[in-house]
Amino acid sequence: DSGVTQTPKHLITATGQRVTLRCSPRSGDLSVYWYQQSLDQGLQFLIQYYNGEERAKGNILERFSAQQFPDLHSELNLSSLELGDSALYFCASSARDRDRGFYEQYFGPGTRLTVT
Amino acid sequence: AQSVTQPDIHITVSEGASLELRCNYSYGATPYLFWYVQSPGQGLQLLLKYFSGDTLVQGIKGFEAEFKRSQSSFNLRKPSVHWSDAAEYFCAVGAPTGTASKLTFGTGTRLQVTL
Repeated sequence: DSGVTQTPKHLITATGQRVTLRCSPRSGDLSVYWYQQSLDQGLQFLIQYYNGEERAKGNILERFSAQQFPDLHSELNLSSLELGDSALYFCASSARDRDRGFYEQYFGPGTRLTVT
Repeated sequence: AQSVTQPDIHITVSEGASLELRCNYSYGATPYLFWYVQSPGQGLQLLLKYFSGDTLVQGIKGFEAEFKRSQSSFNLRKPSVHWSDAAEYFCAVGAPTGTASKLTFGTGTRLQVTL
């Protein structure tokens, strides 16, 4: 158990709908990352937040957005869903980062999204 | 931009045999390197990491990896594989950009262990 929790574990929804995935980082971790794992794209970085502020953006679609709240949990919002958005969405957290520092990331169990 | 190549998509080894999973990276500076393991239906578990210093790093579950700068490689090894090691293994490179720190993953190597 990494200490990172994600809910829900599974989500089935229809095209065009909007869903919210939730992540709680490890106790004390200020950085939260979202990744998407799909068969055709592999594991891809989406976005990083640090203590409530966006720090880095990867291959995140405009239909997707995220935020990190004062209690440090994070939500990933996916809207206007398409079949191709079906994937496993992982959240990870890491310890407080310093300027030009790096810490290992610990991953949650993921949310499997199926768009029908 | 950084990238990771895992040339072996699928590897099969017998239980008790040694294992080496290959990983090559591309990054302009000293990389931060990681190996993660993903069991079916599970999340990613960190096996080991290399930040600096000793180029041979030890991880959990009896795994080790060696950083070779001249070959841009970070291969994962285990002297004797157990059936429970069957899983997918991902190599990743981390590159801080200012205060951001994303991971770039390889495509993974699926390990099958025969009894």
